[in-house]
Amino acid sequence: NAGVTQTPKFQVLKTGQSMTLQCAQDMNHNSMYWYRQDPGMGLRLIYYSASEGTTDKGEVPNGYNVSRLNKREFSLRLESAAPSQTSVYFCASSGQQETQYFGPGTRLLVL
Amino acid sequence: GNSVTQMEGPVTLSEEAFLTINCTYTATGYPSLFWYVQYPGEGLQLLLKATKADDKGSNKGFEATYRKETTSFHLEKGSVQVSDSAVYFCALSSGGSNYKLTFGKGTLLTVNP
Repeated sequence: NAGVTQTPKFQVLKTGQSMTLQCAQDMNHNSMYWYRQDPGMGLRLIYYSASEGTTDKGEVPNGYNVSRLNKREFSLRLESAAPSQTSVYFCASSGQQETQYFGPGTRLLVL
Repeated sequence: GNSVTQMEGPVTLSEEAFLTINCTYTATGYPSLFWYVQYPGEGLQLLLKATKADDKGSNKGFEATYRKETTSFHLEKGSVQVSDSAVYFCALSSGGSNYKLTFGKGTLLTVNP
């Protein structure tokens, strides 16, 4: 049972480049989330998807877009990366019990 | 809006010492409360949770009690081990159908042998 998987694990981008972070879960969860983690800031919600076919903004959505491709997959896209988007990105999912299950993270460096 | 405040770290203890990490919250209604742990280089994993007032969550020797009167959910462990070294996050869920979590900023715990 893989749980929540994320790719890539590490990425270096130049300012202005685009990329997509991939996330998949195999727990048949309805809800999925994208967070960013910065030193001293805890985790901040970027976007979430309460169910397949729906997405909503979280606390810090500017500069990001998301796609809930199907029930398993939820991707995060940076259209034009900025140094302020240097962070560690976590995907999570949850079913009926409120508990969120997290992936291992993607470490992104924007130069 | 919802918010979580937890004690600033880092916290450094010797093995077998007693641990307390304070957490207080502000929320409307009756949130569920969580402690998540993040080991070096890994994602977060649930440590324990409590869903209503006076509930006690426990796991791996850690405990926390949901105190509605003081809006607190302090994490405690009687005897820490080196393997407990990690970052600990307090969080709350405002409920509803999307189960969004609001996190504290995290507390780094280092346990020395």
